[in-house]
Amino acid sequence: AQSVSQHNHHVILSEAASLELGCNYSYGGTVNLFWYVQYPGQHLQLLLKYFSGDPLVKGIKGFEAEFIKSKFSFNLRKPSVQWSDTAEYFCASRNSGGYQKVTFGIGTKLQVIP
Amino acid sequence: DTGVSQDPRHKITKRGQNVTFRCDPISEHNRLYWYRQTLGQGPEFLTYFQNEAQLEKSRLLSDRFSAERPKGSFSTLEIQRTEQGDSAMYLCASSLGLSDTEAFFGQGTRLTVV
Repeated sequence: AQSVSQHNHHVILSEAASLELGCNYSYGGTVNLFWYVQYPGQHLQLLLKYFSGDPLVKGIKGFEAEFIKSKFSFNLRKPSVQWSDTAEYFCASRNSGGYQKVTFGIGTKLQVIP
Repeated sequence: DTGVSQDPRHKITKRGQNVTFRCDPISEHNRLYWYRQTLGQGPEFLTYFQNEAQLEKSRLLSDRFSAERPKGSFSTLEIQRTEQGDSAMYLCASSLGLSDTEAFFGQGTRLTVV
């Protein structure tokens, strides 16, 4: 069975600090990878996704993630966080093919201090 | 709003009662997913429909749980004889039937069993 590990469960940063959230997935085949964000009181929204091609993917709001196949990793990065980035971030994976279920990590709560 | 819609947003029920939740997916999406999220955890897959066919069920979906999507549009999730352990956020998501598309989530139904 697939699994997704997120290494940091709670991160506190000051505004303008750089962010990197770790994510590792277990499936050895071809995968689709996602980062979703959940702002307080809101639904899960897609930040970015990787299906194929360039392993460095850019998402909304200045976020990016790098797929490193040899490390089974898909870490999320942002060079300079803002207070509005305070949210919970979920890494997720899915067997490629599109119709398989998405498996989520436990989530990382990010708190950005002004 | 043309996103995924879930109803009700909140439900408080007494242990042993039956509850039913509804999900209306994005209109052209033929895939529909149900997830459950408890405090401090990422969303956990429950079941998945392609049109009206239920194609996969998690072992988390005990025989007290049943999901339907009778006409391939909206879906219902029923929990019979609710238990306190059923208290969670129940999330619905939908996606197009293509391999390179992501799932879009609703705001969820928060169930509290007292």
